[in-house]
Amino acid sequence: RKEVEQDPGPFNVPEGATVAFNCTYSNSASQSFFWYRQDCRKEPKLLMSVYSSGNEDGRFTAQLNRASQYISLLIRDSKLSDSATYLCVVGQNTGGFKTIFGAGTRLFVKA
Amino acid sequence: EADIYQTPRYLVIGTGKKITLECSQTMGHDKMYWYQQDPGMELHLIHYSYGVNSTEKGDLSSESTVSRIRTEHFPLTLESARPSHTSQYLCASIMTGNTEAFFGQGTRLTVV
Repeated sequence: RKEVEQDPGPFNVPEGATVAFNCTYSNSASQSFFWYRQDCRKEPKLLMSVYSSGNEDGRFTAQLNRASQYISLLIRDSKLSDSATYLCVVGQNTGGFKTIFGAGTRLFVKA
Repeated sequence: EADIYQTPRYLVIGTGKKITLECSQTMGHDKMYWYQQDPGMELHLIHYSYGVNSTEKGDLSSESTVSRIRTEHFPLTLESARPSHTSQYLCASIMTGNTEAFFGQGTRLTVV
């Protein structure tokens, strides 16, 4: 079983739609959580950190459920420019800090 | 923009050649990572380092080696390249206490 699992998609949505991505992680000792965005043929870049209390950044909302070991990302009012791969990332401090990336969920937003 | 650089950006080499992919960061980050990513596929961790003279193998078996003699420099070496090594290699760094990973722009390697 992978340490970080995501629905690979792709998600094909029209502009203006709301889309939600889910992610689960297997190691309960995981300490930090992030969503990264990766555009085609580009490097991943941090989209937002995920906190236990949930956090929002404009149209993006991230939530963490430690009990269920589940992370989510909600995008409201999708734009064409949101088309990318969204990576769920988990940080573990087990004898050294390790960053584990999920396989990513591809999103295509269409006009 | 992150101050982490990879060279070369693109490389085409013949089978059996030895190559070194360079990664340097000027942010003073102690943790550095190498990932391998095929087009449209997930990132696979192949090597990481927690600091000078510290290197560990990642989750994906790799025939490459790394070294960390200086904080800012984390080169990856393939002693004898094979077509199966064709991929994109991404280097990343993180500072202890700040868990955002900064990535270089990657090296696209093709072995013919």
